[in-house]
Amino acid sequence: KQEVTQIPAALSVPEGENLVLNCSFTDSAIYNLQWFRQDPGKGLTSLLLIQSSQREQTSGRLNASLDKSSGRSTLYIAASQPGDSATYLCAVGLTDTGRRALTFGSGTRLQVQP
Amino acid sequence: DTGVSQDPRHKITKRGQNVTFRCDPISEHNRLYWYRQTLGQGPEFLTYFQNEAQLEKSRLLSDRFSAERPKGSFSTLEIQRTEQGDSAMYLCASSPFYQETQYFGPGTRLLVL
Repeated sequence: KQEVTQIPAALSVPEGENLVLNCSFTDSAIYNLQWFRQDPGKGLTSLLLIQSSQREQTSGRLNASLDKSSGRSTLYIAASQPGDSATYLCAVGLTDTGRRALTFGSGTRLQVQP
Repeated sequence: DTGVSQDPRHKITKRGQNVTFRCDPISEHNRLYWYRQTLGQGPEFLTYFQNEAQLEKSRLLSDRFSAERPKGSFSTLEIQRTEQGDSAMYLCASSPFYQETQYFGPGTRLLVL
């Protein structure tokens, strides 16, 4: 059974700092890995999707990397802003044909202090 | 493109009652997913539709839960004989056949008293 772990569970940083969020998964036979952002009481917003054949994806101040063999992904946020405060979730998709379920970690709750 | 919508946004019910939630996916997204999220946890997969066909169901989807997507557009999730453990946020997501990114709705928060 695939298990996804995110460390740390919570993080508080001053504005402007660069930071790294970590995600690990137990089964390396994944189809893709996605990073989401969730604001309190709201749905999820997709940030980045990395296919299993890719090593990284970038969008603006965000960079996500994937090391499938070691079962790890990182989300790098450059020059953090108070508006980045949210919970960040990673999710992996399986390779089984036709299966589309995502397995999520519990998230990292980020607070960026102004 | 107005995004995924869910109705109602909040539902309070008494134990033993039945509840039904609706999800309207993004237009022309043929894949639709239901997830459940409890406080402090990531979403857990419940079920997946491709058009009107329910292709995947989690073991979390007990016989009290049923989901439908009759015409391949909107979907409903019904919970019969609700229990306090059913209290959670129920999230719906959709995606087009040519893309893996899942687009989530705002969720329906259920509280069972």
